[in-house]
Amino acid sequence: DTEVTQTPKHLVMGMTNKKSLKCEQHMGHRAMYWYKQKAKKPPELMFVYSYEKLSINESVPSRFSPECPNSSLLNLHLHALQPEDSALYLCASSQPGGATNEKLFFGSGTQLSVL
Amino acid sequence: AQSVSQHNHHVILSEAASLELGCNYSYGGTVNLFWYVQYPGQHLQLLLKYFSGDPLVKGIKGFEAEFIKSKFSFNLRKPSVQWSDTAEYFCAVKGFQKLVFGTGTRLLVSP
Repeated sequence: DTEVTQTPKHLVMGMTNKKSLKCEQHMGHRAMYWYKQKAKKPPELMFVYSYEKLSINESVPSRFSPECPNSSLLNLHLHALQPEDSALYLCASSQPGGATNEKLFFGSGTQLSVL
Repeated sequence: AQSVSQHNHHVILSEAASLELGCNYSYGGTVNLFWYVQYPGQHLQLLLKYFSGDPLVKGIKGFEAEFIKSKFSFNLRKPSVQWSDTAEYFCAVKGFQKLVFGTGTRLLVSP
């Protein structure tokens, strides 16, 4: 299994809603990532988890809250988002962070629309 | 921190034409370099990567890239493009834990 699975594929939420994005991989990767991709822009790194611990937070607003409950799962909890947060949210995984020869496997993403 | 520049934002080619997409990077340490492709409506896929060794790396679907350390470049090439190569191409550089993408190049191949 060389897939990174993200659910849901599409999500529409209001600014007062609380929702969660989920990501799962069974490749034994111990590094997992959240990226945000706006239309016609490159993916931008949000968070990196290494061995289930948050190792990088790219100054992401607190209305985005990541969680890594175990080595296969990565969640992104959303609360009080703004319309400008609408984007494609990509999850990725790789061999442990710090190794120089790993590559990232990306999921298909969750297309989020904030109304 | 690392950064990546892709100079061609849009490229339009006819089938069978040769392709070269430019990529320049900036990073003070040992870099790993990647080209990813995103076909319309699909997720990012790895085309090829460079970690060490032979600076000319071959990837999937006939793509290759050459790492030129003195020029901080990692240009992507394909001798003869096909209509199915229409996609967005991202160069990326990875330092410690962080993979940073360039702004992307949209390639349109007309039949």
